[in-house]
Amino acid sequence: SAVISQKPSRDICQRGTSLTIQCQVDSQVTMMFWYRQQPGQSLTLIATANQGSEATYESGFVIDKFPISRPNLTFSTLTVSNMSPEDSSIYLCSVEEGGEYGYTFGSGTRLTVV
Amino acid sequence: AQKITQTQPGMFVQEKEAVTLDCTYDTSDQSYGLFWYKQPSSGEMIFLIYQGSYDEQNATEGRYSLNFQKARKSANLVISASQLGDSAMYFCAMRVLNQAGTALIFGKGTTLSVSS
Repeated sequence: SAVISQKPSRDICQRGTSLTIQCQVDSQVTMMFWYRQQPGQSLTLIATANQGSEATYESGFVIDKFPISRPNLTFSTLTVSNMSPEDSSIYLCSVEEGGEYGYTFGSGTRLTVV
Repeated sequence: AQKITQTQPGMFVQEKEAVTLDCTYDTSDQSYGLFWYKQPSSGEMIFLIYQGSYDEQNATEGRYSLNFQKARKSANLVISASQLGDSAMYFCAMRVLNQAGTALIFGKGTTLSVSS
């Protein structure tokens, strides 16, 4: 299965600043997914990123707050902009392996906003 | 609406015993996929098992099996011979069609605690 390297693994940020999270995949994939997991909660899909096109955002998430780049088939970034304490969450990237192989996830970025 | 429901916030089991984690789903699609993931306290998401909607046999992967009852729209995870390392959060998920193609939606999760 694909191996995803996600950075940073954790960060503590000041409110009003921005953080960019990177995901590097060891194989070419068509779609990459970004999820948010708020403390004690389940995973919520933020957006789907296809190479060469703008990301598709889920209801409740907007590009100004969570800009995404997808410059090639192995890399994507998610920026959390103008952060507030409510943005404190684990952010995970994911790729689809296809069929029974499910979806592989990065190790996550644990973000704390103070 | 497409939805995954996990009604057990927490489950407790002793080592070597079997445990069933419940999952029900709602979809109008004929073709769909169901997944279970394990999330230890480290936060990583570990894929456990998959069941396709057209699969006639229940999926099994080592100590994990999926009790798939299509008419009842349930996909319960059975862990046999529990181990201390099984203590984690478990999520049931479903692959759904969305405007971007496909994606996973998750249930709220069940925290499993295994004691010696």
